[in-house]
Amino acid sequence: RKEVEQDPGPFNVPEGATVAFNCTYSNSASQSFFWYRQDCRKEPKLLMSVYSSGNEDGRFTAQLNRASQYISLLIRDSKLSDSATYLCVVAFDRGSTLGRLYFGRGTQLTVWP
Amino acid sequence: NAGVTQTPKFQVLKTGQSMTLQCAQDMNHNSMYWYRQDPGMGLRLIYYSASEGTTDKGEVPNGYNVSRLNKREFSLRLESAAPSQTSVYFCASSELPGQGKTQYFGPGTRLLVL
Repeated sequence: RKEVEQDPGPFNVPEGATVAFNCTYSNSASQSFFWYRQDCRKEPKLLMSVYSSGNEDGRFTAQLNRASQYISLLIRDSKLSDSATYLCVVAFDRGSTLGRLYFGRGTQLTVWP
Repeated sequence: NAGVTQTPKFQVLKTGQSMTLQCAQDMNHNSMYWYRQDPGMGLRLIYYSASEGTTDKGEVPNGYNVSRLNKREFSLRLESAAPSQTSVYFCASSELPGQGKTQYFGPGTRLLVL
């Protein structure tokens, strides 16, 4: 069983749409949570960290539910430039796993005009 | 600042050949990582170095060796390449290991083993 599971999509939405991605993780000891973005044939880049109380960055809102071991990312008013693969990332910062990130397989988003 | 740089960008090897992938960062980060990314598999950690002078195995270390040459540089060596090692390899660095520190990735090396 993978540590982090995501719906691979693809999600195809028109400009201006709202789209949500979900992610589940298996290790209840997980301590840090992130969404990374990866453009085609490029490196992953941090989009935002995910905090227990939920957090927002412009059009992007991330939520964490520790009880259900569930993370979400909501994108409002989608832009063409949002087209990318979104990676759900979890870290268990204890002992031998200190510093290790566990990546989901990614959810592909295409925003069309 | 260049951030994280990787060389080469592309490489084609024959089965059994060896090669070293180079990675350098100019952000004075303590921790460095090597990942591979395969279609449908996501990024998987090969080896990491929490600080200069230390290296540890990740999820998929078999067939690879690493060297933390100094604080800036972390190389990945394939001693005898196999077709199963065809992949995109990413190097990353972070200020400190864990504690939610962001990892910054290099542009990747695309490796094809025939």
